[in-house]
Amino acid sequence: QKEVEQNSGPLSVPEGAIASLNCTYSDRGSQSFFWYRQYSGKSPELIMFIYSNGDKEDGRFTAQLNKASQYVSLLIRDSQPSDSATYLCAGGGFGNEKLTFGTGTRLTIIP
Amino acid sequence: SAVISQKPSRDICQRGTSLTIQCQVDSQVTMMFWYRQQPGQSLTLIATANQGSEATYESGFVIDKFPISRPNLTFSTLTVSNMSPEDSSIYLCSAWTGSYGYTFGSGTRLTVV
Repeated sequence: QKEVEQNSGPLSVPEGAIASLNCTYSDRGSQSFFWYRQYSGKSPELIMFIYSNGDKEDGRFTAQLNKASQYVSLLIRDSQPSDSATYLCAGGGFGNEKLTFGTGTRLTIIP
Repeated sequence: SAVISQKPSRDICQRGTSLTIQCQVDSQVTMMFWYRQQPGQSLTLIATANQGSEATYESGFVIDKFPISRPNLTFSTLTVSNMSPEDSSIYLCSAWTGSYGYTFGSGTRLTVV
């Protein structure tokens, strides 16, 4: 059974600080990992995906992948109140392969 | 970015009836995925739909309860059959849209009474 585990939260972070979201996975065959943001009542929207060891940066967001430790993280710098949402980590193949989602972490940015 | 139009956005249905959810993608995609998201929970994959073949269902989901059609490369439907209150959930379709990753439809919020 492929599993993706996320830090359960909820997580509260002051505005302007760094929010750190973590995810571990059990399937060493997983090739790519996706971070989605989901606002209440809305569908998930992609923040970024990563498939190589190391860091990948996109604006205020940095994804980190460590395949040896089976660990994925998302850092949000300069957190804004609009970042308050549930963050979903998902792992799987790459393109046209099913994803396994974690349970999600609810993040609240405190003004 | 790719767009997936999903409808209906919400519905309230009587138990024992069926509801068909439609997803239209603005580009051709090979696979479409159907998920269920129960209140306060994460996404659970129901099935994967490939054009021209029967859908592949995940453990705990069966074709008689969740029949899926995939008549072409831009469209798919999921039917929730013989509904019970336990089927109340949000249903989401998704597809791999290349550089935009897996894109999701806007979701269908189903309430069974």
